[in-house]
Amino acid sequence: AQTVTQSQPEMSVQEAETVTLSCTYDTSENNYYLFWYKQPPSRQMILVIRQEAYKQQNATENRFSVNFQKAAKSFSLKISDSQLGDTAMYFCAFILPGTYKYIFGTGTRLKVLA
Amino acid sequence: DAGVTQSPTHLIKTRGQQVTLRCSPKSGHDTVSWYQQALGQGPQFIFQYYEEEERQRGNFPDRFSGHQFPNYSSELNVNALLLGDSALYLCASSLVGGELFFGEGSRLTVL
Repeated sequence: AQTVTQSQPEMSVQEAETVTLSCTYDTSENNYYLFWYKQPPSRQMILVIRQEAYKQQNATENRFSVNFQKAAKSFSLKISDSQLGDTAMYFCAFILPGTYKYIFGTGTRLKVLA
Repeated sequence: DAGVTQSPTHLIKTRGQQVTLRCSPKSGHDTVSWYQQALGQGPQFIFQYYEEEERQRGNFPDRFSGHQFPNYSSELNVNALLLGDSALYLCASSLVGGELFFGEGSRLTVL
């Protein structure tokens, strides 16, 4: 069975600083997709970034980037130049191709301090 | 372009009652998934509907059932409510194999 683990329940970062959120996962499959979702206090979850396991290059979306280490089954999210609007719960998620069930971690609550 | 809308936003029920939650997908989307998010936890997959059929189901009892209508909207029904069913219920829509778009959720409290 696939599992996703986020070992940091809460983190804080000063505005304009950089923060890294950790995620590890477990699967015996070779091909899969990984995601980071953001859930602000308003509750609507939005996709931050996605990574296909067959791509060696780490995904980047503006201030958000990932460090994908396939052998270590690690998928961390780096937020550069943190902004107050980045304050939210961040969930790491996993899905196998051809299936429809996203598996989410327990989340990391990030607070950006002014 | 309206995103995913869910109703009601909050509701309170007592043990043993039944509840129906509703979801309208993002315009153009044909697939609806339902997730349960307990307090302090990540979302847990309940099931997904496509072409009015349940396509995949998570590890939830038969008390949880759903329906998708021809206009792609969907309902989640929970019978014989338990205290442990208290959670935020999230609906997400997508195109087949595409990115999930989430609604703001329905907060269910069971007393």
